[in-house]
Amino acid sequence: NAGVTQTPKFRVLKTGQSMTLLCAQDMNHEYMYWYRQDPGMGLRLIHYSVGEGTTAKGEVPDGYNVSRLKKQNFLLGLESAAPSQTSVYFCASSYGLGLYNEQFFGPGTRLTVL
Amino acid sequence: AQSVTQLGSHVSVSEGALVLLRCNYSSSVPPYLFWYVQYPNQGLQLLLKYTTGATLVKGINGFEAEFKKSETSFHLTKPSAHMSDAAEYFCAVSEGEGNKLVFGAGTILRVKS
Repeated sequence: NAGVTQTPKFRVLKTGQSMTLLCAQDMNHEYMYWYRQDPGMGLRLIHYSVGEGTTAKGEVPDGYNVSRLKKQNFLLGLESAAPSQTSVYFCASSYGLGLYNEQFFGPGTRLTVL
Repeated sequence: AQSVTQLGSHVSVSEGALVLLRCNYSSSVPPYLFWYVQYPNQGLQLLLKYTTGATLVKGINGFEAEFKKSETSFHLTKPSAHMSDAAEYFCAVSEGEGNKLVFGAGTILRVKS
């Protein structure tokens, strides 16, 4: 099993450009998440999904959109990138119901917005 | 909303010394607590978690953590540090719909030879 994979690994954008980050999991998990990691701030939740076709906002959703058309995939979109979105983005997934279920993380995407 | 505080953004220990990384949480309900480790340029990996029952939780790589409700703490320890333990460590609490994780700011552990 590959676990959680993310595409691409690195990307450089210019201000105003758009892009989509792809997350895929092969563990049949119900829940999926997108986080951003910035130095000294830990990980902050952008959006999450509790099942195919559902999405919800997290702590820092502004400037991002998501879609979960298939259970195994969770896409994160930036419509008009800004320098403040320079960060490392992590996708995660978990089995679902039960606060005790841990999340499994992908390797991350390092995004730079110039 | 719940929150997590990790005391010390950087901790430095000598190889073979005790590792102690501190985590305090705030929660109005019994918490589910996690410790994750992040090695350089990698994703996060679960070290251990507290759900219910035994307050001393053992994890991978010789780490353990003790849940102390009276102190609202979940400190991570390892008796003897190895060079390979150098990484960033995150404490997190699970909350609400979607089992969202609220993370602390992280502690970077440096191990000196």
